[in-house]
Amino acid sequence: QKEVEQNSGPLSVPEGAIASLNCTYSDRGSQSFFWYRQYSGKSPELIMSIYSNGDKEDGRFTAQLNKASQYVSLLIRDSQPSDSATYLCAARFSGSARQLTFGSGTQLTVLP
Amino acid sequence: DAGVTQSPTHLIKTRGQQVTLRCSPKSGHDTVSWYQQALGQGPQFIFQYYEEEERQRGNFPDRFSGHQFPNYSSELNVNALLLGDSALYLCASSLGLGGEPQHFGDGTRLSIL
Repeated sequence: QKEVEQNSGPLSVPEGAIASLNCTYSDRGSQSFFWYRQYSGKSPELIMSIYSNGDKEDGRFTAQLNKASQYVSLLIRDSQPSDSATYLCAARFSGSARQLTFGSGTQLTVLP
Repeated sequence: DAGVTQSPTHLIKTRGQQVTLRCSPKSGHDTVSWYQQALGQGPQFIFQYYEEEERQRGNFPDRFSGHQFPNYSSELNVNALLLGDSALYLCASSLGLGGEPQHFGDGTRLSIL
């Protein structure tokens, strides 16, 4: 069974701090990884995609991929109360090129 | 630029009934995927349609079926509804098979009584 695992949280950080969200995946052959943000009652919104080992930065967001350790992370710098949401990690596994497999999500709360 | 649109937004059904959910993909996209998201869980892949054919299917029973129309819009049909079918049903669109990234609609909240 190919899986994506996330700590469900909840994770609380003070405003202005760095929030660190982590994700592991079971299929070493996976090539594509995504972070989605989902506000309560809303649909997932893509915030980052990463395909190569290393870091990828977009504004306050940095995604990190380590294929050897099968580990993906998302860092949110200068966290704001508006970042409070559930963050979903997703992977496209080898042999299942047409579907995304999601983790159960990490609930983040940024405290003013 | 029209995003992914889904209808209806909310639906209440009783056990044993049948339901049809609808999705129009983002402009320029030709591939539609359907996901089920139970409360507190991540979305689970149901199936994907491309060129009016089901291309891949997740671990869902045959009660779940779909269709894609020539204009790329899609329907999800669920027969013999069970209480456990209560969930948020999400449609995602992309360009081509395996196209990335997938963009999600706002979903249909289905409640089974």
